[in-house]
Amino acid sequence: AAGVIQSPRHLIKEKRETATLKCYPIPRHDTVYWYQQGPGQDPQFLISFYEKMQSDKGSIPDRFSAQQFSDYHSELNMSSLELGDSALYFCASSPVGGSTDTQYFGPGTRLTVL
Amino acid sequence: GENVEQHPSTLSVQEGDSAVIKCTYSDSASNYFPWYKQELGKGPQLIIDIRSNVGEKKDQRIAVTLNKTAKHFSLHITETQPEDSAVYFCAASLIQGAQKLVFGQGTRLTINP
Repeated sequence: AAGVIQSPRHLIKEKRETATLKCYPIPRHDTVYWYQQGPGQDPQFLISFYEKMQSDKGSIPDRFSAQQFSDYHSELNMSSLELGDSALYFCASSPVGGSTDTQYFGPGTRLTVL
Repeated sequence: GENVEQHPSTLSVQEGDSAVIKCTYSDSASNYFPWYKQELGKGPQLIIDIRSNVGEKKDQRIAVTLNKTAKHFSLHITETQPEDSAVYFCAASLIQGAQKLVFGQGTRLTINP
């Protein structure tokens, strides 16, 4: 079965640089969620999109922005990167409006800020 | 907002024994409780979930129980195997369209052969 695709899988950036993370949801899923997971921590919700509109917002820094495109893929843009932004970033998708709101997670992007 | 507490943080059991992980939640409006298994370097994988209109759900060696009154739910793994070793997260959410998951702190489960 098709799964959530994230790219790149690994990303190394310098402080103050920018990064763009991409997420391709499972086909026919119209909702995308972004989570950040620090070392040894649980995933923390950042932002979500439903039908290309922002649905909910968590503890996402103002330096970060995201959007969902017409093909339902989503991009998380991160600017003025800080050392503390080093983490795993997960995208999840769900078929809102279907029989379940189960969220299926992608493999993640490991961001390292030097 | 919702807050989920998970215990224990680490759990070590002998292969073949049972493992139990417990979570409590704060928001009585939450009605969806999934459990995820995360292996090193991988994304969380859903292993079982339960909705608030059900008290128990089983899937082979895995079961989840929910006590809405006490606001706690538990994961039970029977006949544990080495491949069950991973970090397990509970979570709580609302089934109301595009609702975020609030995770517990995670339990590192180690199965000793």
